[in-house]
Amino acid sequence: DAGVTQSPTHLIKTRGQHVTLRCSPISGHKSVSWYQQVLGQGPQFIFQYYEKEERGRGNFPDRFSARQFPNYSSELNVNALLLGDSALYLCASSLTGGSGQPQHFGDGTRLSIL
Amino acid sequence: GDSVTQMEGPVTLSEEAFLTINCTYTATGYPSLFWYVQYPGEGLQLLLKATKADDKGSNKGFEATYRKETTSFHLEKGSVQVSDSAVYFCALSRVAGNNRKLIWGLGTSLAVNP
Repeated sequence: DAGVTQSPTHLIKTRGQHVTLRCSPISGHKSVSWYQQVLGQGPQFIFQYYEKEERGRGNFPDRFSARQFPNYSSELNVNALLLGDSALYLCASSLTGGSGQPQHFGDGTRLSIL
Repeated sequence: GDSVTQMEGPVTLSEEAFLTINCTYTATGYPSLFWYVQYPGEGLQLLLKATKADDKGSNKGFEATYRKETTSFHLEKGSVQVSDSAVYFCALSRVAGNNRKLIWGLGTSLAVNP
């Protein structure tokens, strides 16, 4: 079975632009989470979705938004991009998002802001 | 709030040496604990997990025991290989109200020399 897939793999944007990142979970997984990983640091939680509803939100500004579709794929949107948004954005899926369930990560989208 | 603290890296070992990467956590209740590994140029992969006190997670020769009395989940391997060179992340997962998320340590970089 295919793992978590993310697109695009790399993206270059300029300040002020907006970006949409996409994620397809493992087949059968209904929960998707988004993380931001700045170089040299651990991933920071942005959002979790389950059954198309937001179940958790990290400490990120309102410029960050996400949604989950009926097929459980997800999009992360970032508006008014800042230089500090340059990072690897990771998507992870799990069956239901429960506490004891491992999350399976995609390879990420590397976003560079010029 | 919840937090995870890992020993700082980088850790440099010779092949066949014994590995310990310390991880301690702060959390209320009974979180699940995970070790993830990120090989160079790749995404995060689940290495092992433990969901309750005294559980031992193991995979690929790595082990970690969930110690509630010391709030620790140290990663160990008896004999490391060059292919173990990677960044290792300790994480906890818990449900708090309507919020389910992973909380990460900063990661420990391991370099194994032949």
